[in-house]
Amino acid sequence: AQSVAQPEDQVNVAEGNPLTVKCTYSVSGNPYLFWYVQYPNRGLQFLLKYITGDNLVKGSYGFEAEFNKSQTSFHLKKPSALVSDSALYFCAVRDTGSARQLTFGSGTQLTVLP
Amino acid sequence: EAQVTQNPRYLITVTGKKLTVTCSQNMNHEYMSWYRQDPGLGLRQIYYSMNVEVTDKGDVPEGYKVSRKEKRNFPLILESPSPNQTSLYFCASSSRWDSYNSPLHFGNGTRLTVT
Repeated sequence: AQSVAQPEDQVNVAEGNPLTVKCTYSVSGNPYLFWYVQYPNRGLQFLLKYITGDNLVKGSYGFEAEFNKSQTSFHLKKPSALVSDSALYFCAVRDTGSARQLTFGSGTQLTVLP
Repeated sequence: EAQVTQNPRYLITVTGKKLTVTCSQNMNHEYMSWYRQDPGLGLRQIYYSMNVEVTDKGDVPEGYKVSRKEKRNFPLILESPSPNQTSLYFCASSSRWDSYNSPLHFGNGTRLTVT
C-alpha cells in the first residue's frame, strides 16, 4: 500500500524568508511524487513532480522540491516567500510498481506573514 | 480555455433526495476522477474512469455512483444522500490514466451540504 504524510497542518513564515513544507511517503516500489496547491475557493493546481532523474525538481512560481530516497521525503521549498504563496499545499504519491491511483496527503496550510 | 467545469458550486439538500453533480472537461482527456476533501483527511478518491464506459471504485465509493457515457462528461450521482456526505467535491482529469506524465486538472469544486 502507498501512503503519504504531511506532518504539519500549518506552517507560518515571514515574507522574504525561505519556506519548507514537509512530505514523507511510503511505497513498495519506486515513487512518482507531486505537489499541488489550492487557493481559496479553487481547485488544486499542479506545482511540480518528481518522476526520475535529478533529486532537485523545479516547478511553478519559484517552488522547488528535493527528493530524498533514503529519508523517503519530498519537501517543498522556496528561497523567498511571498504573501501570495499563502495557500493549502498537498503532496501526492503513486507507486510505480503497483498502484494505479494517486494518494494525497492531508494538506499543509501555508501562511506567509507580511 | 482548457478547463474542468463542475456544477453546481454550492448545493444544499436534504437526506434522501437524489442529486447529481456534473463534471465536464474540454481537453479530450481519457482519465477522469472524483475526490472528496474533508478537513484533516486531504483528498480521497471516490470513483475514477480510465475511458468511456470504464469506471472503477476509489477509496470511498459507498453511497456514490458514476457513469462515463461520453469522453467529456463524468457525473457524480448520490442516490440517497446522507449527512456524512457533506463535503467539498472535486472532479479532475488527465490525458491518461497513468497520470504521472500528465498532471491532474481540477475543477473549482462543489460544496455539498446534506441536512
